[in-house]
Amino acid sequence: GENVEQHPSTLSVQEGDSAVIKCTYSDSASNYFPWYKQELGKRPQLIIDIRSNVGEKKDQRIAVTLNKTAKHFSLHITETQPEDSAVYFCAALTQGGSEKLVFGKGTKLTVNP
Amino acid sequence: DVKVTQSSRYLVKRTGEKVFLECVQDMDHENMFWYRQDPGLGLRLIYFSYDVKMKEKGDIPEGYSVSREKKERFSLILESASTNQTSMYLCASILSGGLQQFFGPGTRLTVL
Repeated sequence: GENVEQHPSTLSVQEGDSAVIKCTYSDSASNYFPWYKQELGKRPQLIIDIRSNVGEKKDQRIAVTLNKTAKHFSLHITETQPEDSAVYFCAALTQGGSEKLVFGKGTKLTVNP
Repeated sequence: DVKVTQSSRYLVKRTGEKVFLECVQDMDHENMFWYRQDPGLGLRLIYFSYDVKMKEKGDIPEGYSVSREKKERFSLILESASTNQTSMYLCASILSGGLQQFFGPGTRLTVL
């Protein structure tokens, strides 16, 4: 089945710097890759996603890139702000049979003022 | 706006008790999921359901069962709670053929 690896597990940056979180997946049939942000004590919320027919997608300060050949995708946050501090999860949608999301283990991002 | 609700935010139970966690969604979603979230382990899928009365095992189904008698409600059952089931439990739903999965607020279960 699908396996998603996420790195790093923790990331600390200064306000205004960029942050990059990387994920790899194992099943080349996976075709949808969302990123969720979970603030302390809250539910995970979708912040950006990408389908396999696209190489990059941007939404203001957030971007996601996908390399299908290498089977990895990354979240890029520019001009980080303290409110970006949260746990971020990547995921891949499995194909064939039952569709479900397989999540990475999460990255705790801390943005220091 | 999709709303996914869970019956309790915090729950404390004793070892051996039968525990019911309820999840309700109001957007007529076919697909519903139960995850547990533990530090450093991310979100692990326990069970999911694609339709009423239908269920499939996820990655860690041992010690759990589920019930889906109505489309909007998906229940997670711990037949005999154990201390290693102390965790945060998250429910989620998604429209069949859709992509965005919506999460409930979570239930933090402590088993003493």
